Amino acid sequence: GESVGLHLPTLSVQEGDNSIINCAYSNSASDYFIWYKQESGKGPQFIIDIRSNMDKRQGQRVTVLLNKTVKHLSLQIAATQPGDSAVYFCAEIRSGGGGNKLTFGTGTQLKVEL
Amino acid sequence: DSGVTQTPKHLITATGQRVTLRCSPRSGDLSVYWYQQSLDQGLQFLIHYYNGEERAKGNILERFSAQQFPDLHSELNLSSLELGDSALYFCASSPILAGVGEQYFGPGTRLTVT
Repeated sequence: GESVGLHLPTLSVQEGDNSIINCAYSNSASDYFIWYKQESGKGPQFIIDIRSNMDKRQGQRVTVLLNKTVKHLSLQIAATQPGDSAVYFCAEIRSGGGGNKLTFGTGTQLKVEL
Repeated sequence: DSGVTQTPKHLITATGQRVTLRCSPRSGDLSVYWYQQSLDQGLQFLIHYYNGEERAKGNILERFSAQQFPDLHSELNLSSLELGDSALYFCASSPILAGVGEQYFGPGTRLTVT
């Protein structure tokens, strides 16, 4: 049959506002979680990671929150800028046997309106 | 520039053919990851190598294989190509094994199978 592209959820925010991007993960045994940013035509770019034994981690203008009870991850971007426009992916990582397996979420398109 | 290089940037080939994609990690990074990004399946983890050894496998087809050489560059071999193999193929490198840490993605190879 004909392939249909993934329909990414879109979050539109005004420049200067805070953005919250959400992600549900599937495996309660995941050890790490990472947020990536992917701009059009480029490879994914690491933003921030968090271990499963943490609830919150802050970076520069970004905060990741982890709620293991409901298997939910969020990325908060403070004072969103036009350069933040991109697709954002979460990834859950299971480590074992000396290696790491990653499972990615579908992604969220962030659009920053001037 | 992430410091990770991938060649070729674009590759067009016919069904049934075999291709090799090459990745050079950042200097000193021992871990190399391969990913496939297609329109209908999003970003998929394929395989993880560390210092020449395969450490984890994801959704990698039997027609696909990879290796990491003593100089740490890696190659992804795709054989008996099908139309559905058309995708962007990324590699990423990381300096550590335990956990994932900050991964650095290459610019990708766009494979088109006709």
